[in-house]
Parts: sequence; structure tokens; C-alpha cells
Amino acid sequence: EVVLTQSPATLSLSPGERATLSCRASQSVSSTYLAWYQQRPGQAPRLLIYGASIRATGIPDRFSASGSGTDFSLTISRLEPEDFAVYYCQHLGDLPPWAFGQGTKVEVK
Amino acid sequence: EVKVVESGGGLVQPGGSLRLSCAASGLSVNRHYMSWVRQAPGKGLDWVSLINIYGQKGYADSVKGRFTISRDDSENTVYLQMNSLRVEDTAMYYCVSSSGGDPRERHLQHWGQGTLVTVSS
Repeated sequence: EVVLTQSPATLSLSPGERATLSCRASQSVSSTYLAWYQQRPGQAPRLLIYGASIRATGIPDRFSASGSGTDFSLTISRLEPEDFAVYYCQHLGDLPPWAFGQGTKVEVK
Repeated sequence: EVKVVESGGGLVQPGGSLRLSCAASGLSVNRHYMSWVRQAPGKGLDWVSLINIYGQKGYADSVKGRFTISRDDSENTVYLQMNSLRVEDTAMYYCVSSSGGDPRERHLQHWGQGTLVTVSS
């Protein structure tokens, strides 16, 4: 079973700053099945990134992601007010469970 | 437009049962991976179960043997039968469809708004 560890737990930044979030897998995983989600307060999550680096439909290009093997990252180039949220990574491998990381909260400094 | 709409949540006593429903429109549940994801109050996302296009099912260890996922293709609906409920099952339960039926399309694309399950005496 793959365990995903996200860091940091909380990121305190100001609008306009750059955010870099990390997701580390307990074993090497295929980047094809690595996804990132955003959850704003009081809302359902939404898909941001799939295939480790492919932006989902409608996701602005200030969001980018990369990684392979055990280390993956999500970068928000310039934080907009609506980007302050919780971000989760997930590995959707051939065998369930499809566990999520514990999340990184991006909060206003 | 793709929509998934959950229903069936509510208050139930420990040891009780509930059946959640997920009605889909704009997609066929038998052509997508359909998952249930839950979120306890103030906590992170917790993947619960899935059913793929072949009808194969998967469960988190925490619900295995207690929860059963199924689908009705004629109703285009997915169900989650929850038995032997525990206080720790209290959460918002989201139904989610994948982007498609191919393994490369497993990512959770379309999320419902959730249905709240509260297990309490």
C-alpha cells in the first residue's frame, strides 16, 4: 500500500507569492496515476492536476506540477486570493486503496 | 454537463445501516470509475470505495466487510451500503466519477456536493 506524505502541513504566504507543495510516496509510483486536488472552505474538492503534471480543464496556468518516482510537487506561481485552500495529492494505482496525502493548507500570512 | 448527486445521508445509531445513492447525469456510471470519498469534520479526504467499468470493487481497510458498493446501470446510479456503522464513520460522503474508463483516466474528475452521515447515539 502506497502512503503519501505531504509537506508542509501549513504554508503561510501572502497574495502574489509563490507556493511550493511537496508530496512524497512511500514507494516509487507511476506518475500517470498521481493527481492533485484543491479544496476551498465549505466546498467539494476539485481536480487540479492529473498524470503528475497535466492541468485539468479550466485550471489556470499559474498552477504547475511535476515529479516522478517518489517525489512530486505542486507550484502556484503567484497566489491569488482564491488559491488559499487545502491541497491533496492522491495516487490511483492498479490496486486500491487510492489513498490521499494528509493535505497542505495554504493560508494567508 | 456532468452531474453526480448524492442522497441518503442522515443520523443513525452505532451499529445501524444506511444506503447512500449517487445519481449521475451526463455520463454513464458503467463507463467510468465511480468512487466514494469521505471527509470527517475538520479532517482530510479519506478514500472509501470504488467500482470500475468491469464491476470490480475496492475498499479501504477501514470499511472492508462493512460497506458494499454497487451500481444500477439502468438507473445510472451507484450505491454505498453501509452496515455496522461506527461513530468514526461520521463524515461528509462524496460520490466522484473518474474522467473516463481507461486506467489513465482514473483521476477523480466530477465531484458531487456530498451527503452527511452522522453516527451517534
